[in-house]
This record gives sequence, C-alpha cells and structure tokens, in this order.
Amino acid sequence: GEDVEQSLFLSVREGDSSVINCTYTDSSSTYLYWYKQEPGAGLQLLTYIFSNMDMKQDQRLTVLLNKKDKHLSLRIADTQTGDSAIYFCAEIPNQAGTALIFGKGTTLSVSS
Amino acid sequence: NAGVTQTPKFRVLKTGQSMTLLCAQDMNHEYMYWYRQDPGMGLRLIHYSVGEGTTAKGEVPDGYNVSRLKKQNFLLGLESAAPSQTSVYFCAISPGQRANYGYTFGSGTRLTVV
Repeated sequence: GEDVEQSLFLSVREGDSSVINCTYTDSSSTYLYWYKQEPGAGLQLLTYIFSNMDMKQDQRLTVLLNKKDKHLSLRIADTQTGDSAIYFCAEIPNQAGTALIFGKGTTLSVSS
Repeated sequence: NAGVTQTPKFRVLKTGQSMTLLCAQDMNHEYMYWYRQDPGMGLRLIHYSVGEGTTAKGEVPDGYNVSRLKKQNFLLGLESAAPSQTSVYFCAISPGQRANYGYTFGSGTRLTVV
C-alpha cells in the first residue's frame, strides 16, 4: 500500500535554513503537498507542487521534487521561531476512491 | 478555519457512551473527509464522502459510522466509545479528488474516552 515517510524531528537555530524531507510511494501522484500544523490548531496548506515540476519557490519556501527517487523536500530559508510547528508531507495517489495520504509529520523546533 | 466548522471542540466520554461529531461547510465542496490524528501516527483517514448521500470507508473505519444527508454536513458517529478512540478528529473538504488546492481543514475535535 501507499506510505509516506518523513523524519520525525528537526531542530535548527533561528536564521538557519531548515530542510524537511519526505519520500512517497505512488509515482503517479499528480500533486504533492506540504501542510503546517501549529500547536492546538488544524492543518494549513503551506504549498503544493505539480508532478511535472522540479522546483517551486514561494518567498522563504522552496519545494524540490525528484520524481525518479520519489523524494520531496521543503526548505525554509531564514527560519524563525514562528516556524516551529509540525510539517506534513501528503500525496493523493492517482487512483479512484482515494484521499490525501499523510506522512507522520516532522516536528520543527527553532531555537533563538 | 474558514469554511469548515467542527462541533464540539472538546469532549470527554465514558467507555460505552455514544456521540456524534458534526462537520459543517459553507464552501459548497463535494468531497468531505474525517481523519484522526494520534501522536507519532500522523493523520489517518476514517471515512469520506464524494457527495450528498454517499459515504466510503477509509484506512481506519472500525468503530465509526458516518452520514452525509445534506451536502454541507458530514457526521461522524461513535456508537460505543472505547479508550482507543481517544484522539483529535479533523474534518476536511475539497472540491474534487485531486484538487490542486489540497484540502481545507476544520480546527479539530479533541475527544477523550475514559
């Protein structure tokens, strides 16, 4: 079955770059997503990338997609304490009757 | 979160009690989903609906039932609550299966079964 893998924890210092990695299993997934969850809150869509793209940049966020290796990464430049949260990688397999499949989430801790 | 309202926000149940969680949306989306979130497990799909009057099982459907009698509401029921159902429950909506906007999530219901 489908599975999305992420490392569970990442700790960085304020001002550094953070890189959160994810591997997914369905090579036919059309869209891949990054969600952010702040403590006690729901999930917010951070960014997404279409499968025919290698990279997408949005202000401090850069998403890299390596379809050959089924590897997705999220880079946060100039990480701030407000970026401390859980980050989820997610995919929708390209088959009928499926829904977003999430990784277990990476907890990003930013120290000042 | 805008467009998706979950009630209640918190609830404590005794083992064996029943309850219904309500998800209401005002975005006129066809697809609605119920997920549960447990520490270290990420989000797992319980049930989902692709339109009014339809429901389907997700990854972890046992112990739950759902109904989508109206397009804007998706109800999740626990007939006989068990401690293993202690979790945070999230409702999500989307305009289609592979929407390029992803899903819109509610703020969650924190359920404790004692």
